[in-house]
Amino acid sequence: QITLKESGPTLVKPRQTLTLTCTCSGFSLTTTGVAVGWIRQPPGKALEWLALIYWDDEKRYSPSLSSRLTITKDTSKNQVVLTLTNVDPVDTATYYCARTSIIAVAFNYWGQGTQVTVS
Amino acid sequence: QSALTQPVSVSGSPGQSITISCSGTTIDIGSYKYVSWYQQHPGKAPKLIIHEVSDRPSGVSHRFSGSKSGNTASLTISGLQTDDEADYYCSSYTTSSAFVFGSGTKVTVL
Repeated sequence: QITLKESGPTLVKPRQTLTLTCTCSGFSLTTTGVAVGWIRQPPGKALEWLALIYWDDEKRYSPSLSSRLTITKDTSKNQVVLTLTNVDPVDTATYYCARTSIIAVAFNYWGQGTQVTVS
Repeated sequence: QSALTQPVSVSGSPGQSITISCSGTTIDIGSYKYVSWYQQHPGKAPKLIIHEVSDRPSGVSHRFSGSKSGNTASLTISGLQTDDEADYYCSSYTTSSAFVFGSGTKVTVL
């Protein structure tokens, strides 16, 4: 059974760095073709794709946030970590991690999301 | 990179069919077959209901169907049911090797 679970602080002060962890189970981050991404959703607003990391450590970022985002993975823990620097109240959102692959290029498994408030 | 454009809301009566449009450009929908649709009920994580324009994941109702023409994708829900009341988002892979989501559509079952 594939599951993903986000964890991290619920409250962050402006100008600090936000670090979120996605713990994956039921699959390996090193399996060929697998990728895990981060998507966020401000309260009452639309989904916004942030970043993606592939099994081979290739990384992709949202062009509008690339200067502030870093995505990495820890294969020993099967975790994906997202950092967002210099946060602002507009970064307040529910942050989701989700799994995709190069075979089915869509996010077919999602975590429950973690709410982050910048204040 | 701008969000894909969706109507803010669409409504229909039980049993009817509705269609949600998703307008993109030549750098996203127009370039790839990698268009997907997600259903999101309040307070829940999104759920994949369509991938690669028109493919349904296992377990997703046949009442959901997708299509694409040029830079615009569409999701049709036939035989509308009360449980279909939710927010729907389209998404596309882009020529920048990134993803982009739509602005979201609220579906109301009258």
